[in-house]
Amino acid sequence: QKEVEQDPGPLSVPEGAIVSLNCTYSNSAFQYFMWYRQYSRKGPELLMYTYSSGNKEDGRFTAQVDKSSKYISLFIRDSQPSDSATYLCAMNGPGGGNKLTFGTGTQLKVEL
Amino acid sequence: DAGVIQSPRHEVTEMGQEVTLRCKPISGHDYLFWYRQTMMRGLELLIYFNNNVPIDDSGMPEDRFSAKMPNASFSTLKIQPSEPRDSAVYFCASSLLRDRGLGYTFGSGTRLTVV
Repeated sequence: QKEVEQDPGPLSVPEGAIVSLNCTYSNSAFQYFMWYRQYSRKGPELLMYTYSSGNKEDGRFTAQVDKSSKYISLFIRDSQPSDSATYLCAMNGPGGGNKLTFGTGTQLKVEL
Repeated sequence: DAGVIQSPRHEVTEMGQEVTLRCKPISGHDYLFWYRQTMMRGLELLIYFNNNVPIDDSGMPEDRFSAKMPNASFSTLKIQPSEPRDSAVYFCASSLLRDRGLGYTFGSGTRLTVV
């Protein structure tokens, strides 16, 4: 079993829809939870991060962490075609420091 | 800053040939990571360096893979001999220790095809 599980999709939604992307993890030592966005033929870019449990909002994006369930989510409101990308969750390694463990990514397509 | 720079962007090589991928991290970053990305396995960490010293190479799949960081501004990932199953996108990323993994900066990747 992988340390981080993420549904690969693809997920296709109409413009304006609310999108929910999720990851589960097994290592209770993870402390920082990140979402990266990767456009086609580009490297991943950090979208937002959360420390421990709770919510964080940034514009149309909301990240949620439930450490008791080992479950994290990214919500996108009023989705736009420009949001079409692969979204990868990532978590701070068990030993802390700078090592991240990534999910496999969910491919999202927002259609006009 | 130009960001993390990787070269080449694309590489097509024949099975058995040596392949060298190159990476220039962001100036001042003290961590450098090499990842491999495939559809089936996602992003896999191959090796990472801290202050030019390899810290964890447990993700390197076989002895055919080797990585070096001779100085703070340059790293290479070498595959010798290459095999078709090595075909993937290889990413280099760098970060600062004080960021605690909150923000890697990735390069644009090298798309490797071994035929």
